[in-house]
Amino acid sequence: GAGVSQSPSNKVTEKGKDVELRCDPISGHTALYWYRQSLGQGLEFLIYFQGNSAPDKSGLPSDRFSAERTGGSVSTLTIQRTQQEDSAVYLCASSDVWPGNEAFFGQGTRLTVV
Amino acid sequence: GQQLNQSPQSMFIQEGEDVSMNCTSSSIFNTWLWYKQDPGEGPVLLIALYKAGELTSNGRLTAQFGITRKDSFLNISASIPSDVGIYFCAGLSGTYKYIFGTGTRLKVLA
Repeated sequence: GAGVSQSPSNKVTEKGKDVELRCDPISGHTALYWYRQSLGQGLEFLIYFQGNSAPDKSGLPSDRFSAERTGGSVSTLTIQRTQQEDSAVYLCASSDVWPGNEAFFGQGTRLTVV
Repeated sequence: GQQLNQSPQSMFIQEGEDVSMNCTSSSIFNTWLWYKQDPGEGPVLLIALYKAGELTSNGRLTAQFGITRKDSFLNISASIPSDVGIYFCAGLSGTYKYIFGTGTRLKVLA
């Protein structure tokens, strides 16, 4: 596609439920990133994919968070047993690793856990 | 997680004024990026810098990659109301990891 697409745009879920957030990167981009942005804060790195592999998962806050990428394209971020502190905007970005290293972001998914 | 220090944290300026913000780090970065984020949207890339000392312009925006590779600044000339938003710097650590600044919130008074 023309840009990074994320769905849903907004998600309200009850505490304890599982949620799945989807990211469609720019076509041909091999690198994909998930970031989290809490209200009024900067961007917190969660995980990086190169192709379908995730060489860096160091930012995932707990084992309730997981992510996968299939076909070198779409990625899904799953949060199990959601907690209120998981409420945030989850942003996905993609880039060509070489050249340029410019990362382009989607519009984000605003997750609210009630 | 690791973040870059941006200053100022927020600023109110009059339309037509020039704006300057900067980003500093204790670490060396190979690439610096500047993004703008509007409410409810994802960050949009404004300028990318690849070489120490590099000065790059994009319309009314000018950004520089510091000689020490530990800092960068962004200038906006002749600000307009649509410049309002949050500006983030990001440094590329290694080949893939972007470390983001804490953001500068800009408000333009007409």
